[in-house]
Order: sequence, then C-alpha cells, then structure tokens
Amino acid sequence: GIQVEQSPPDLILQEGANSTLRCNFSDSVNNLQWFHQNPWGQLINLFYIPSGTKQNGRLSATTVATERYSLLYISSSQTTDSGVYFCAVEFNDYKLSFGAGTTVTVRA
Amino acid sequence: DAGITQSPRYKITETGRQVTLMCHQTWSHSYMFWYRQDLGHGLRLIYYSAAADITDKGEVPDGYVVSRSKTENFPLTLESATRSQTSVYFCASSEADTQYFGPGTRLTVL
Repeated sequence: GIQVEQSPPDLILQEGANSTLRCNFSDSVNNLQWFHQNPWGQLINLFYIPSGTKQNGRLSATTVATERYSLLYISSSQTTDSGVYFCAVEFNDYKLSFGAGTTVTVRA
Repeated sequence: DAGITQSPRYKITETGRQVTLMCHQTWSHSYMFWYRQDLGHGLRLIYYSAAADITDKGEVPDGYVVSRSKTENFPLTLESATRSQTSVYFCASSEADTQYFGPGTRLTVL
C-alpha cells in the first residue's frame, strides 16, 4: 500500500511563531487531505488539496503531486492550534491512508 | 442537524464478548468508513461502504464485521473482542472528496 510519512513527529512552538509540517507519500494519489485532531479527539478536515496551494485564515497548504509531497503552514500560531495534524492520501474509491501525524504544542 | 454521531462514546468490555459500535449520519452521504486509531499508527481503515448493502474490507478488517442496511447507519461489530482491539474507533462519511468524522468511541477490552 501507499506509505505516508509526516515530519517532524513533534513540534513545540511559542505563541506567534510560524511553522511548516511536511507529508511525503510513496505513490500517485487521487486526493490529499489535511486534518487537525484537537486535544479532545475531534478530527476536523482542514484542506482537500490534491495539488496546488490553498489558504484558510492562518493556515495554508501546498501539494506538489509530481514530487509526492505536501506542506502545511501555520502562521502566527495560537494555543488553539495545538493538537495532532494528520496528512491522509486517497488511493482509490475515497479510501484514505493516514500518516502517523505531527503533534503540535503551542505555548503561551 | 447532528451530522455524524457515534455511540457509545466509551465502552469497557471483556475478552470474548460481542460488541457493536454504532454510527449514524444525517447527510445521506453515500460513503461511510470505520477507522481505528492507535498510538504510533495514525488512523487505519477497517471497513468501508460505498452505498447501502455494499461493503468492503480496508487495511485491518480481521475480527470485525459491518453491515449497511440503511444509508444513514453503519454499525461495526467485534464478534469476539480481543485485547488487541482496545482502541479509539472513528466513523466517517463522505459524498465526494472530503471525509467528515464522528467524535469517536473509546473501547477498552479487558
């Protein structure tokens, strides 16, 4: 199956800092999504981004499908950004394969 | 509009017992999915369904059974629970590109 690798595994930020999370995948994919899991366990879809760049407030994402990677940018981080960020790739029929996640801790 | 709900939210059971986790969505999405989340593994797909009465295995289906007699419901049954099935279980639904997740069920098998 498709391998999805996320880096770094853990990230500690001071409030207001910027950061970049990376997702590498091993094969061509139909779709790529970024999710945020908050400290209460809820998974929220951030981006559906098979290619190109999208922005949503302080978050943005870029996927370079030909080079099999995606980046998630967090700008001016806030404590509410804490949680685990997952990259997931769709290989067929809407089935997702998830990376192990990046745990982000934003300190006030 | 409740979206997607799961019940129970927490469950403790014993090895060998049958357990059913419920998932209900109000959007009439065609696709529904069951994942388990374990430390160090992210989420792994157990089973999915493309429509009522259509189900298929995911990455880790052994020990689980699903059914989908109605579009809005997708129950997951552990026929004989084992300790290795202790996990957090997430249900999701989608109509096209974006998957929407339920709040999860934390299952402990003693």
